[in-house]
Amino acid sequence: EIVLTQSPGTLSLSPGERATLSCRASQSVSSRYLAWYQQKPGQAPRLLIYGASSRATGIPDRFSGSGSGTDFTLTISRLGSEDFAVYYCQQYGDSPVTFGGGTKVEIK
Amino acid sequence: EVQLVQSGAEVKEPGESLKISCKGSGYSFTNYWIAWVRQMPGKGLEWMGIIYPSDSDTRYSPSFKDQVTISADKSISIAYLQWSSLRASDTAMYYCVRPIAVSGLWYFDLWGRGTLVTVSS
Repeated sequence: EIVLTQSPGTLSLSPGERATLSCRASQSVSSRYLAWYQQKPGQAPRLLIYGASSRATGIPDRFSGSGSGTDFTLTISRLGSEDFAVYYCQQYGDSPVTFGGGTKVEIK
Repeated sequence: EVQLVQSGAEVKEPGESLKISCKGSGYSFTNYWIAWVRQMPGKGLEWMGIIYPSDSDTRYSPSFKDQVTISADKSISIAYLQWSSLRASDTAMYYCVRPIAVSGLWYFDLWGRGTLVTVSS
């Protein structure tokens, strides 16, 4: 199965700053079949990005995804107070679908 | 409103059986897969398996095959996740999710609120 490694484990930033989150796959993810999710404490995850770079319905354009092959990035251009959360990547290019271990974005 | 409504929290003892549920509403239940995702306390997300309610086609992650059973009753738009003999390591939040299918696999766009299962003696 494809193992997804997210880095850093924790990102400490201030509101208004740019966040760059990495997701690295143990083998190439076909057709850029990679998604990103946001999870806040006590809540279910929410889909942000699919197809590596397509925003889900209702997701603000400060969230963007990029990458291909084994290296993918989620960028939050300017952090709002509501963006401090844990972010997970997920690949659906190979069975079984797998998730990364998560990156926590915390307030500095 | 399109939503997935999950059954309430459960507290069980090791060795007991359990069946939790997920009711889909606001959409055609038989036209979409339903998946289950586990989140152990303080940990990440793990895909357990998935079912297509229309014909009960079921797939399991290798990590969960033979550990749980996924089923569905399309007549009442409910999917189930069940255990025959719980262990303390089954303590977790379990999410049901309606995914988007792409080339035979899935990403997850509609999530239930989760069912917390606690297994303790």
